Amino acid sequence: DQQVKQNSPSLSVQEGRISILNCDYTNSMFDYFLWYKKYPAEGPTFLISISSIKDKNEDGRFTVFLNKSAKHLSLHIVPSQPGDSAVYFCAASARGNKLVFGAGTILRVKS
Amino acid sequence: DTAVSQTPKYLVTQMGNDKSIKCEQNLGHDTMYWYKQDSKKFLKIMFSYNNKELIINETVPNRFSPKSPDKAHLNLHINSLELGDSAVYFCASSLGRGGKLFFGSGTQLSVL
Repeated sequence: DQQVKQNSPSLSVQEGRISILNCDYTNSMFDYFLWYKKYPAEGPTFLISISSIKDKNEDGRFTVFLNKSAKHLSLHIVPSQPGDSAVYFCAASARGNKLVFGAGTILRVKS
Repeated sequence: DTAVSQTPKYLVTQMGNDKSIKCEQNLGHDTMYWYKQDSKKFLKIMFSYNNKELIINETVPNRFSPKSPDKAHLNLHINSLELGDSAVYFCASSLGRGGKLFFGSGTQLSVL
């Protein structure tokens, strides 16, 4: 039972444009959401997070939006750069319990 | 100065062997984890230790045994390796439970 779903296995975007990565979840108890970025042969690295009391969090070129009623979050990268090409994982946890990850979306930013 | 380091990076072995993967973190975190990334690329939690105490033990065959000698180390021992154990295993740590995880670079295990 996948509680966190990333329905797009891959996304291709032109350099300088916006990348939008989507994530859906089913567990209404989730109250903390994170995005991780992973390069080949490396471990995932933390990118940005948001708690359920907010609907938006920004950090430089990265913004995460949370829509609790739709159980949906998205990561916006503006402007996209070739170095952003990686696998992006969405993750969620409920009240300090284990993090549950999605299957990841491969982002390719073309120059 | 690596924050979460795990060794070895690659492990190729025969079915039926016993192997260990070691993990160390120098972040002063109190919680450590083992995750498995299978062929479908899902990252699934296997175990978690908080202050050397096992707090999460997912449905993992008991051939897998974690050991935490202290807060900075969490090792994974696997007995009687099977073909299906082939995967990438990631160690991670966090301050407190369920917070931001810091991952090691992974161990690619191939069972032949």
